[in-house]
Amino acid sequence: AQRVTQPEKLLSVFKGAPVELKCNYSYSGSPELFWYVQYSRQRLQLLLRHISRESIKGFTADLNKGETSFHLKKPFAQEEDSAMYYCALNSGYSTLTFGKGTMLLVSP
Amino acid sequence: DGGITQSPKYLFRKEGQNVTLSCEQNLNHDAMYWYRQDPGQGLRLIYYSQIVNDFQKGDIAEGYSVSREKKESFPLTVTSAQKNPTAFYLCASSTTDAGYNEQFFGPGTRLTVL
Repeated sequence: AQRVTQPEKLLSVFKGAPVELKCNYSYSGSPELFWYVQYSRQRLQLLLRHISRESIKGFTADLNKGETSFHLKKPFAQEEDSAMYYCALNSGYSTLTFGKGTMLLVSP
Repeated sequence: DGGITQSPKYLFRKEGQNVTLSCEQNLNHDAMYWYRQDPGQGLRLIYYSQIVNDFQKGDIAEGYSVSREKKESFPLTVTSAQKNPTAFYLCASSTTDAGYNEQFFGPGTRLTVL
């Protein structure tokens, strides 16, 4: 069965520090992975997907099939990055399996 | 911020009562989804629908029911059989084009059972 694991419930960093939000997955097929973000008082929204290989708001994520990981990284955190981040796996028919989420707090 | 609307924003229910949560979208999306969000649990899929008049159970469908009579509407009923209904409920929609399609989420409904 598919599974997404985000080991950290909370990640607290100072502004300007590097950030890495961890995500590991379990899936028998070829995975499609995503990061969704929920800012305070805003809707859950797509941040990035591994297929596009793009950088959004300075964030990148590389799919590592050997380590079954899809960690989200940003070299210099900003206060506006504070949010809840969810890693998600395409479970088929466009349904998603979500991890439990990591709250990122960036302090000034 | 249209696209997907959910109502009401807050809902209170007495134990033993059924309650229906509304989800409407004007994005012309074929697929719609219901998730439950609990602290520390992430989002869990309750039901989804790929087309009108058809829907499938997700991971935690017990105690819930849905209907899809119109493309733009996908109401969720939380029945008295749901043992722990207090939660935040999110509705989403997407296209069904080939490959994965981004899901667009509504603002959510917070249900509290008194």
